[in-house]
This record gives sequence, C-alpha cells and structure tokens, in this order.
Amino acid sequence: AQKVTQAQTEISVVEKEDVTLDCVYETRDTTYYLFWYKQPPSGELVFLIRRNSFDEQNEISGRYSWNFQKSTSSFNFTITASQVVDSAVYFCALSPDNYGQNFVFGPGTRLSVLP
Amino acid sequence: NAGVMQNPRHLVRRRGQEARLRCSPMKGHSHVYWYRQLPEEGLKFMVYLQKENIIDESGMPKERFSAEFPKEGPSILRIQQVVRGDSAAYFCASSPVDIAGETQYFGPGTRLLVL
Repeated sequence: AQKVTQAQTEISVVEKEDVTLDCVYETRDTTYYLFWYKQPPSGELVFLIRRNSFDEQNEISGRYSWNFQKSTSSFNFTITASQVVDSAVYFCALSPDNYGQNFVFGPGTRLSVLP
Repeated sequence: NAGVMQNPRHLVRRRGQEARLRCSPMKGHSHVYWYRQLPEEGLKFMVYLQKENIIDESGMPKERFSAEFPKEGPSILRIQQVVRGDSAAYFCASSPVDIAGETQYFGPGTRLLVL
C-alpha cells in the first residue's frame, strides 16, 4: 500500500525564520516519484518539485530546498528566510511506478508566516 | 499558455440536484485526473481518463458519480442527486503523456456546496 504522512498539521513561524516541513512515505515499489505542491489561500495547487527515487541529491531553488533520504523514507522541504507570501498549505505526494497511476497525497501542512 | 481550466469555480446545489464540473486540460495534454478534497484534508484520487477512455476509476464512488472525456470538449465530472457529503473542492489535473511519475498540473478547482 502507498501512504504519505505529514505529521505537522499546522506550523507558525515569524517572518525570516527557517522552517522545515516533514514528509514520510510508504511504498513497496523500488521506483517511485515524490512531489511537493503548494496551495495558497486562493485555493489553486502550485507544482513545486518532482523527484524520482533514484536521485537522492538534495535540491535547492532559491529559498526552497528539499532533502530526500531513502533510508528514512523522507522527503522534507525547507524554506529559508520565510516570507508572509509563503503562507499556504503544502502537500507532499507519491506516485508509484505504475502505468497511469494516480497520486497519493499527504494530509498537508498549513504554514502560517507571521509578519 | 493557458493552464488547466476548470469551471465553474464555485457551484451551489440543493440536495437531489445534479452537479456538472468541467475541466479543460493544458494544451497538448491528453490525460486528465480528477481528485476530491474534503475540508481540511488532502486530495483523494477519483478517476483517470484519456480521450474517450476511462483508464482508472478506482477512487470513484460506485453510485451517483460519473466522468467522461469526449473526443471533443472538456472532461466532465457529473454528480447526480447530490448530498451534503458531496460538498468539497474538486480538482482536475492533466499531464502530457502517460509515463510513470509524470508531473500532473492542477486546475484552480471547483468548490461545490450542497445545501
């Protein structure tokens, strides 16, 4: 069975603080893909990153960075120097290596960045 | 360079009425996915369609729900005889090809409220 856990339901930080959002996944597949999406208050879903299971290199994009550790089945997301505009719900998702497979989403973490 | 389009953005129905939700995928995308997001929850897969074919409907409720993606026109998610429990945000996503782990790009969602 496939499962994604985001244990942090809500996080509040003050602007300019760093914050890490945790994502732990379960799958029996050896090949799989992990995603992060952002859902701002306006409600749409914004794609942030895609990572396949064979690529464990950390990735940095501006203030965003991702730490993928297969040994602990985790794909954590860090925002450096958070800003108010980062306030949103963040979803981690898993796509197993199946033909036409749907995504399995975590329950999301609501991040509030206070000025 | 339009993204995934969904309409209406908000839909109010009384119990027993029908709800029709429309989704136009990104240009060049022929794979459509529907997800449902209940309040304060993550997204749950409902159905995956290609043009004129339902590929995977394992997440679709057995009764009252149906989906189609005709040769011409948008994909339609139809909910017959709506009940209050159908109130949710319904998201459509699209991808260009059916390759494992392909990124899905999401529309803005349709918020359905059943009175």
